[in-house]
Amino acid sequence: QITLNESGPTLVKPTQTVTLTCLFSGFSLSSDEVGVGWIRQPPGKALEWLALIYWDDDKVYSPSLKNRLTIAKATSQNQIVLIMTNMEPVDTATYYCVYRRALLFGEGDVGFDPWGQGILVTVSS
Amino acid sequence: QSALTQPASVSGSPGQSITISCTESSSDVDDYDYVSWYQQHPGKAPKLIIYHVTNRPSGVSIRFSGSKSGNTASLTISGLQAEDEADYYCSSFTTTSHWVFGGGTKLTV
Repeated sequence: QITLNESGPTLVKPTQTVTLTCLFSGFSLSSDEVGVGWIRQPPGKALEWLALIYWDDDKVYSPSLKNRLTIAKATSQNQIVLIMTNMEPVDTATYYCVYRRALLFGEGDVGFDPWGQGILVTVSS
Repeated sequence: QSALTQPASVSGSPGQSITISCTESSSDVDDYDYVSWYQQHPGKAPKLIIYHVTNRPSGVSIRFSGSKSGNTASLTISGLQAEDEADYYCSSFTTTSHWVFGGGTKLTV
């Protein structure tokens, strides 16, 4: 069974940098074509994909946020982190850690399954 | 502005079928073959219910089905049940290896 659990500060001040951690179990991020990423959701609003890191350490970022994001893995600890700089009130959201399984032959994408329970990060002075 | 457009809300009665559309409006969403759908109940994390346009993950009810025509993907829920009341999001994998989400659709049963 795959599980993901997000942790980090729940209240940050504007202009601060936040580091969120995703601790996962049930798979290895060393396995071919596996990926783990982050998606956020402001209160009452839609989902927004942020970043994903692949088993081979390749990283992809949302074009609109790439200058503020860093995603990294610590394979031996079954963790990944997301660092987001210059936090502003509009970044207030629930941040979800998500798993993307390895692709089978002929598959181009398989979505994200499962998701962590999410962590609400509030940006306020 | 999302590259994927969904209706803000749809409604249906128990036992009926409903369809939620997801129209792409960006050239980044090439071929539109990699559409996924997620169900989100209030206060819960989203759950994958359809991937690769038509595929259901293990454990997802056969009442959920996906399709695509041109630049519009659709999620159909047949035999509506009260538990289907939730928000639904479409998502697509783009030609630049990113993901985009639609604005979400609130389903009222």
